[in-house]
Amino acid sequence: GESVGLHLPTLSVQEGDNSIINCAYSNSASDYFIWYKQESGKGPQFIIDIRSNMDKRQGQRVTVLLNKTVKHLSLQIAATQPGDSAVYFCAEIGSGTYKYIFGTGTRLKVLA
Amino acid sequence: GAVVSQHPSWVICKSGTSVKIECRSLDFQATTMFWYRQFPKQSLMLMATSNEGSKATYEQGVEKDKFLINHASLTLSTLTVTSAHPEDSSFYICSVPDRYNEQFFGPGTRLTVL
Repeated sequence: GESVGLHLPTLSVQEGDNSIINCAYSNSASDYFIWYKQESGKGPQFIIDIRSNMDKRQGQRVTVLLNKTVKHLSLQIAATQPGDSAVYFCAEIGSGTYKYIFGTGTRLKVLA
Repeated sequence: GAVVSQHPSWVICKSGTSVKIECRSLDFQATTMFWYRQFPKQSLMLMATSNEGSKATYEQGVEKDKFLINHASLTLSTLTVTSAHPEDSSFYICSVPDRYNEQFFGPGTRLTVL
């Protein structure tokens, strides 16, 4: 889950389309996962979370899917809006620990 | 959840000087706070865990003598970057865990060392 390199992957989508942002997590013992949105110059903002006993959770316009078999997490944003443009990070938290391990992040660009 | 503030929001300093960054939990008493560092276009990296009334716990590779942490009260933790150098320029973010251990992040402090 540690970030390497100097370039964030970028996903460009048309306004109104659905976005899917992916994250591969590192620890099979992690049992809690969170997606964060970070706008430029600001701290991370909570979007949605999921525990390892679930494989899907829905919020308003967002859905998180968890595939423990391949240690993969995805965030789906429906009807993407310009205000959704930001960097999105997944975070994994291991059972019995308070430490968050952040993924590398994906920049979402919404095209008008 | 917790409402977290940081001060200052940005700071520019000369190389060799020390800079203090404050993290405040405005509506929640926190015995623990976390400090992260984020370089441009990179992810958040946990630097240390700030513990009220005791020493901070530093992550591997983080110099405790360079990044001094003081958790003076249940609502305030400070991070002091001592003898700052240009490579310390970064975005420093604190977080406060609530009673369910969900972390709430501050708005961050942009440090630029000239």
